[in-house]
Amino acid sequence: SQTIHQWPATLVQPVGSPLSLECTVEGTSNPNLYWYRQAAGRGLQLLFYSVGIGQISSEVPQNLSASRPQDRQFILSSKKLLLSDSGFYLCAWSVTGDSYEQYFGPGTRLTVT
Amino acid sequence: DQQVKQNSPSLSVQEGRISILNCDYTNSMFDYFLWYKKYPAEGPTFLISISSIKDKNEDGRFTVFLNKSAKHLSLHIVPSQPGDSAVYFCAARGGNSGGSNYKLTFGKGTLLTVNP
Repeated sequence: SQTIHQWPATLVQPVGSPLSLECTVEGTSNPNLYWYRQAAGRGLQLLFYSVGIGQISSEVPQNLSASRPQDRQFILSSKKLLLSDSGFYLCAWSVTGDSYEQYFGPGTRLTVT
Repeated sequence: DQQVKQNSPSLSVQEGRISILNCDYTNSMFDYFLWYKKYPAEGPTFLISISSIKDKNEDGRFTVFLNKSAKHLSLHIVPSQPGDSAVYFCAARGGNSGGSNYKLTFGKGTLLTVNP
């Protein structure tokens, strides 16, 4: 069966510090991968998606970047965090191709102080 | 521009009764609609979906209804149980934008509380 991992579960970082969140998927090959953010009182906002290694599409201009160095690894980064980057970050995957069901990881709670 | 709207931020229901969660959308190009359930500090879990060519899909206690003319869908939970208490997100796929087959647009969620 497929499993998606995210770490860390919680993170408190000062403004201006770098960020690296990692997501890995097991049990499937060539998945589509996604990064979402849920800010307080808001819905899920798609930040990035990837349909293959090295292929990243950005949905909204922001202080964050994403990379996919391996087939089942998706990394969310920032060089300098802003207060507005606080939120709950979720990684998700779906099967390759014309799929619609997405499966989410446990999430990372990021607090920028 | 919020294309998927859940206008009720919260809903409270008695155990054993029906819960009805509503969702409206504006983009007629959406081709699939999904409902997710989310507990605090966890990722959303997929519940049920419906294709835009259908008007009803049922899975156990969960039924999703789609009214395309009204651009409205609803999730019915019967009977409601205390363990159903969670935030429910409506999501839609498509929208005729670049890469739309890969993207889901989510509503802001409705907090359902089922009281024993």
